[in-house]
Amino acid sequence: GAVVSQHPSWVICKSGTSVKIECRSLDFQATTMFWYRQFPKQSLMLMATSNEGSKATYEQGVEKDKFLINHASLTLSTLTVTSAHPEDSSFYICSASGYYGYTFGSGTRLTVV
Amino acid sequence: GENVEQHPSTLSVQEGDSAVIKCTYSDSASNYFPWYKQELGKGPQLIIDIRSNVGEKKDQRIAVTLNKTAKHFSLHITETQPEDSAVYFCAAGMEYGNKLVFGAGTILRVKS
Repeated sequence: GAVVSQHPSWVICKSGTSVKIECRSLDFQATTMFWYRQFPKQSLMLMATSNEGSKATYEQGVEKDKFLINHASLTLSTLTVTSAHPEDSSFYICSASGYYGYTFGSGTRLTVV
Repeated sequence: GENVEQHPSTLSVQEGDSAVIKCTYSDSASNYFPWYKQELGKGPQLIIDIRSNVGEKKDQRIAVTLNKTAKHFSLHITETQPEDSAVYFCAAGMEYGNKLVFGAGTILRVKS
C-alpha cells in the first residue's frame, strides 16, 4: 500500500526560528502534495497545494512568505515555517495524491515557545 | 466551492451496536467521497471510500452509502468495538490531484 513518511513527528522551537517539515512518498510518485493544519478538536484546514516542479497554490488567508512549500521531486515535499511564533503552534499534516489516491502522513506537532 | 457538513459531532454507542455518521456536500461536481479515521496525535487513515458511479460499498464491518441526488453520504460501522473509538472525518472532492474538503469530524466513543 501507499506510505507517506512525515518527519519530524514533533518539534519544539524558539520563537523567531524556522522549522522544516518533510514528507516523502515511499512507494509511489506523488504528483500533488497537500499541506494541512489542524488545531485541537478541529478539522483539517488546507493550507496549500503543490505540484511537482511548480509553485504552490495557497488557500486564502495563508501567508505564503511564512509557510514556504517546496515540491522539488515526485517523492519529496517540504513545508518550512519561517520566523515561527507561538500562534503557529499546531499539528501539520501532509497528504500525497498519486496512483493510490490520497495518502496522509503521520503529522508533525509543532510547538513554538 | 465545496462545503461539507458532518453530523453528529459526537456519538457514543455500546460495544456491539452500530454507528452511523452522515455527511452532506454542496458541489454536484464532486465525485470522490473518502472516510478517514484519526486517532489522537496521528494522521488520518483512509478506512473506506466511494466514487460517484456506485451507491454503496462495503468492507467487512464498514460500509458507505452515497445518494448523489440528495448529495449526502453516510458511514455505517456494525458490531462496534472499543478500538473503533476515534475521530472520523468525511471528505468530498474531485479525484486525482484535486483538493478534498473535509467535514468537521465526529468523535466516536464505543463503550464496553
